[in-house]
Amino acid sequence: GAVVSQHPSWVICKSGTSVKIECRSLDFQATTMFWYRQFPKQSLMLMATSNEGSKATYEQGVEKDKFLINHASLTLSTLTVTSAHPEDSSFYICSAREGRGPGNTIYFGEGSWLTVV
Amino acid sequence: AQRVTQPEKLLSVFKGAPVELKCNYSYSGSPELFWYVQYSRQRLQLLLRHISRESIKGFTADLNKGETSFHLKKPFAQEEDSAMYYCALKGAAGNKLTFGGGTRVLVKP
Repeated sequence: GAVVSQHPSWVICKSGTSVKIECRSLDFQATTMFWYRQFPKQSLMLMATSNEGSKATYEQGVEKDKFLINHASLTLSTLTVTSAHPEDSSFYICSAREGRGPGNTIYFGEGSWLTVV
Repeated sequence: AQRVTQPEKLLSVFKGAPVELKCNYSYSGSPELFWYVQYSRQRLQLLLRHISRESIKGFTADLNKGETSFHLKKPFAQEEDSAMYYCALKGAAGNKLTFGGGTRVLVKP
């Protein structure tokens, strides 16, 4: 079946640095990818919707200059947390929709743990 | 705006007992509802969607538009059902999923 892979699975970075998380659809083309953030014992909060070749659409309250999203190809989207701070520490999850139809299945990556020290 | 509410954070049942996870939603149009499951140390995966009207791993869920609910049920819980369950809604625009807060199910032997 369709697989979405995230890399790295976990990362520790120093405060003030930037860190990039990759999301790849391994065996299908994903015109739309989604980035979520999940705090411990809380639900997934959608951060942004990323469409291949165009600018991401950010949810209200999400700083687009802090969370840079790039979706340069049909199989890769990246999330860059710029000038990271400890409060950015969280579990980041991406998902990808197969094909173009809104009714198509959405597959989730395994998530990436970010710890900012 | 679309909103999903799962009132129970934790459900603890004994093996073989019925289990029902509640999900209520708020959406002005015709939504598409899903249940996702996350087993320990695994990624989120689709359990079932209301348009399929199918039973997966013994679970069923019926969309009740009058009560704006999409409760998940299983008549006889198994230990392997222990997991985190999320109810999710996709609006008519068909783009983004809105998740509920999740319900942790613990099935005791």
